[in-house]
Amino acid sequence: GENVEQHPSTLSVQEGDSAVIKCTYSDSASNYFPWYKQELGKGPQLIIDIRSNVGEKKDQRIAVTLNKTAKHFSLHITETQPEDSAVYFCAASITGTASKLTFGTGTRLQVTL
Amino acid sequence: DTGVSQNPRHKITKRGQNVTFRCDPISEHNRLYWYRQTLGQGPEFLTYFQNEAQLEKSRLLSDRFSAERPKGSFSTLEIQRTEQGDSAMYLCAISGGDGGTYNEQFFGPGTRLTVL
Repeated sequence: GENVEQHPSTLSVQEGDSAVIKCTYSDSASNYFPWYKQELGKGPQLIIDIRSNVGEKKDQRIAVTLNKTAKHFSLHITETQPEDSAVYFCAASITGTASKLTFGTGTRLQVTL
Repeated sequence: DTGVSQNPRHKITKRGQNVTFRCDPISEHNRLYWYRQTLGQGPEFLTYFQNEAQLEKSRLLSDRFSAERPKGSFSTLEIQRTEQGDSAMYLCAISGGDGGTYNEQFFGPGTRLTVL
């Protein structure tokens, strides 16, 4: 089955700096890669996703890149703000089937003032 | 608001007791998923429904677990004879509503289970 690895496990940045979280996946059939933000006591919130036919996608301060050959994808957050502090999860799935998500182990992002 | 409510939000039970959780999508969504999340880990897939049909179960779903979606709307997850290892956050997710794709899954707030 699919295996998703995520790094780093914790990340501390100063407000205004950029943050980058990286994930690798094992199953070359995976073709959908969402990113979720989870705040304490809440369920994961979908913040951005990318499909395998696209190399990069951007939404305001958030961008995701995908390298299919290397089987890795990354989340980039620019101009970080304190409200970006949360745990971020990457995930992978194969569309057209159950589309069940396989998640990474999460990155705890702390944005300090 | 993701359009998914889960009840109860917290459940504390003694080992050996049965518990049932409920997931209510606000609007119609073809697919409904259950995931389990333990502390410090990402969610793990348990099972999913396409309308009322349960189409796949993870090996994590032992015979003590049963899930239903009788009318293709809300879903219940029951755990019988709970064990301390069942302590986790149980998350419900939906997809395929309002003409959306099955790719994007939207999670509810979860039910946190503590087995003493």
